[in-house]
Amino acid sequence: GEKVEQHESTLSVREGDSAVINCTYTDTASSYFPWYKQEAGKSLHFVIDIRSNVDRKQSQRLIVLLDKKAKRFSLHITATQPEDSAIYFCAATHNNAGAKLTFGGGTRLTVRP
Amino acid sequence: EAAVTQSPRNKVTVTGGNVTLSCRQTNSHNYMYWYRQDTGHGLRLIHYSYGAGNLQIGDVPDGYKATRTTQEDFFLLLELASPSQTSLYFCASSDGGNTEVFFGKGTRLTVV
Repeated sequence: GEKVEQHESTLSVREGDSAVINCTYTDTASSYFPWYKQEAGKSLHFVIDIRSNVDRKQSQRLIVLLDKKAKRFSLHITATQPEDSAIYFCAATHNNAGAKLTFGGGTRLTVRP
Repeated sequence: EAAVTQSPRNKVTVTGGNVTLSCRQTNSHNYMYWYRQDTGHGLRLIHYSYGAGNLQIGDVPDGYKATRTTQEDFFLLLELASPSQTSLYFCASSDGGNTEVFFGKGTRLTVV
């Protein structure tokens, strides 16, 4: 089955700098790649996704890049703010996976003032 | 606002005990999921369902049963709880396919 690896378990950046979180996946059939954010003591909520028919997607300060050949995707957070501090999870799935998302291990992002 | 409600929010049980975690969604979603979250492992899928009476096995099903009684309600059962099942459990729902998943607030289970 699909395996998703999140390369940075922790990441610390200075406020205003950019943060990049990288993920790789194993199943070439994967076609949908969402990102979720978990703030301290809270549940997860969706932040952005990308589908395999594009290689870049932007929503305000969030940019997702997808490299299908390398089976790699990444989340870029520009102009980081303290409220960006959280655990970020990448995930992957494909049309035949029965809506079954496979998550990475999570990256704890800390934005320092 | 999509809503997934879990109960209880916290539970302590003894080894060998019987535990049922409950989840209700009011999103009219077909798919419901049970995940466990452990440090270093991210979220791992235990069981999921695409409708009342349906059950699909996830990636870490051993020691867990689940039942989907209605479109709204999905239960996770631990019939002989073990310390290795101490974890934070999340229920979630979605429309299926490549769509946003909505998570509940989680149930922290401790097996002593």
